[in-house]
Amino acid sequence: KQEVTQIPAALSVPEGENLVLNCSFTDSAIYNLQWFRQDPGKGLTSLLLIQSSQREQTSGRLNASLDKSSGRSTLYIAASQPGDSATYLCAVNSGYSTLTFGKGTMLLVSP
Amino acid sequence: NAGVMQNPRHLVRRRGQEARLRCSPMKGHSHVYWYRQLPEEGLKFMVYLQKENIIDESGMPKERFSAEFPKEGPSILRIQQVVRGDSAAYFCASSPEGYNEQFFGPGTRLTVL
Repeated sequence: KQEVTQIPAALSVPEGENLVLNCSFTDSAIYNLQWFRQDPGKGLTSLLLIQSSQREQTSGRLNASLDKSSGRSTLYIAASQPGDSATYLCAVNSGYSTLTFGKGTMLLVSP
Repeated sequence: NAGVMQNPRHLVRRRGQEARLRCSPMKGHSHVYWYRQLPEEGLKFMVYLQKENIIDESGMPKERFSAEFPKEGPSILRIQQVVRGDSAAYFCASSPEGYNEQFFGPGTRLTVL
């Protein structure tokens, strides 16, 4: 059974810092991995999708890497802004088309 | 191109009543997934449907819960005889095919009094 863990559970940084969010999964046989952003009381916004054959994906200030063999992914946020404050979720598609989610990292970027 | 739509956004029911949650996938998407987010817990998969077919319902509670995705119209998640423990945010996602990127709706927040 796939399990997804996200570290840290919460993170507080001053504006402008670069930061890394971590995601680990127990079963390396995955099809893809998605990073989402969730604002309080809102839905999920897809940030990046990495296919199992890829090593990384980039979108603006966001860069996600995938090391399937070690069961790890990282989300790198460059030059953080207060608007980046949200909960970031990592989700793994293990081949049944359904996603297994971590519990998320709650990020607060202070001005 | 409208995103995934869910309604209602908020739903209040008393114990024992029925709750019906609706999800309209993105245009061109024929795969629908339902997830539940309980307070202080992560999102958990419930059911995966294609038009007129349930593909995987391994995450669905055995009793009181059912889902459908008819040939015409939205996908429906139905909860009969709701209990307080059903209070949660229910999210729907869609994709054009299986194993693709999933796009989520805004969710329905169910409160059972």
